[in-house]
Amino acid sequence: AQKVTQAQTEISVVEKEDVTLDCVYETRDTTYYLFWYKQPPSGELVFLIRRNSFDEQNEISGRYSWNFQKSTSSFNFTITASQVVDSAVYFCALSVFSQGAQKLVFGQGTRLTINP
Amino acid sequence: DSGVTQTPKHLITATGQRVTLRCSPRSGDLSVYWYQQSLDQGLQFLIQYYNGEERAKGNILERFSAQQFPDLHSELNLSSLELGDSALYFCASSVEGFSPLHFGNGTRLTVT
Repeated sequence: AQKVTQAQTEISVVEKEDVTLDCVYETRDTTYYLFWYKQPPSGELVFLIRRNSFDEQNEISGRYSWNFQKSTSSFNFTITASQVVDSAVYFCALSVFSQGAQKLVFGQGTRLTINP
Repeated sequence: DSGVTQTPKHLITATGQRVTLRCSPRSGDLSVYWYQQSLDQGLQFLIQYYNGEERAKGNILERFSAQQFPDLHSELNLSSLELGDSALYFCASSVEGFSPLHFGNGTRLTVT
């Protein structure tokens, strides 16, 4: 069975601090994808990144960076120089292909609060 | 804007009633997914349709049903509503395979 664990339920930091959101996943599949989604206070779910199981290169997009380590089954997300607008709930998700369908399993989410 | 449209945004109804939630996927997306987000259960996968056919089922109650129409829009029907069905219901669409799911803004259902 697939499982995603986001151990940090809530994180609160002061603006301009760096913050890392942890994500640990479990799957027996060798082919899978990992995702991060952002849910701001307005409620919508916004896609941030997708990474496949064969690509362990870290990725940087502006102030956002992602560290994928298969050896520890982790896909952590770092926000550098955080801003108040980064305040949101962040979800890590794991996708495997099973019986002709993509199954996307979400972690419980981490509520990030950036204080001015 | 994800391109996925959900209506209505808010729905308030009484226990025992039946409601229908509607979703229009992004142009070109053939897959539609329904998720339920509640405070205690997080984001739970309900059901997926691909080009009109049911593709996968998750934790969907028997009181709930869905369908995808020839124009690819989808409807989620919730019947015999209970207080515990109060939640945010998301629709998402994707192209195929491991494509990212693009979510609508959700329908917030309140059962009183």
